[in-house]
Amino acid sequence: NAGVTQTPKFQVLKTGQSMTLQCAQDMNHNSMYWYRQDPGMGLRLIYYSASEGTTDKGEVPNGYNVSRLNKREFSLRLESAAPSQTSVYFCASRDRVDTGELFFGEGSRLTVL
Amino acid sequence: GQQVMQIPQYQHVQEGEDFTTYCNSSTTLSNIQWYKQRPGGHPVFLIQLVKSGEVKKQKRLTFQFGEAKKNSSLHITATQTTDVGTYFCAGRGSTLGRLYFGRGTQLTVWP
Repeated sequence: NAGVTQTPKFQVLKTGQSMTLQCAQDMNHNSMYWYRQDPGMGLRLIYYSASEGTTDKGEVPNGYNVSRLNKREFSLRLESAAPSQTSVYFCASRDRVDTGELFFGEGSRLTVL
Repeated sequence: GQQVMQIPQYQHVQEGEDFTTYCNSSTTLSNIQWYKQRPGGHPVFLIQLVKSGEVKKQKRLTFQFGEAKKNSSLHITATQTTDVGTYFCAGRGSTLGRLYFGRGTQLTVWP
């Protein structure tokens, strides 16, 4: 049972390039989330999807877009990467939007030069 | 916006000593969760507290949720080297999908 799978695990971009982080879960969860983690800052919510077909902004949505492709998949897109977006990105999922354990992927380390 | 403050940021203890990390919110929380992240790993769920004044125990770990549902604590008795990692609290306020994480407490345990 894979749980939450993120790709790629590592990526280096130049300023202005675009890329998409992919996330898939096989637990039949309704809600999915994208967080970024920076040293000393904890995890900050970028976007979340309470259920298939819906997406909502979190704390730090600027510079990002998301797509809930289906119940399993939730992608995060950087249209024009900036050095401030250098971070570790975590995708997470859980069955309900308001309660319950968050299951995290292993993370994607992104460096923007 | 809502913030969840967590202290201390770092804690270094000798193996066998106790450890406590605290979380405080400016607003009432619907529930609070605790996660542990090992170095280089991803956060792993430990527990969720929902009720005012709730106390839960998991072996050497004791979790508390304040009476006003604005603060919480995690206490580890007699730390072991396997307890090393960063402990995060995460609180949910009135917005269903928004789970706000504290900045974490990084625990180092010296053998």
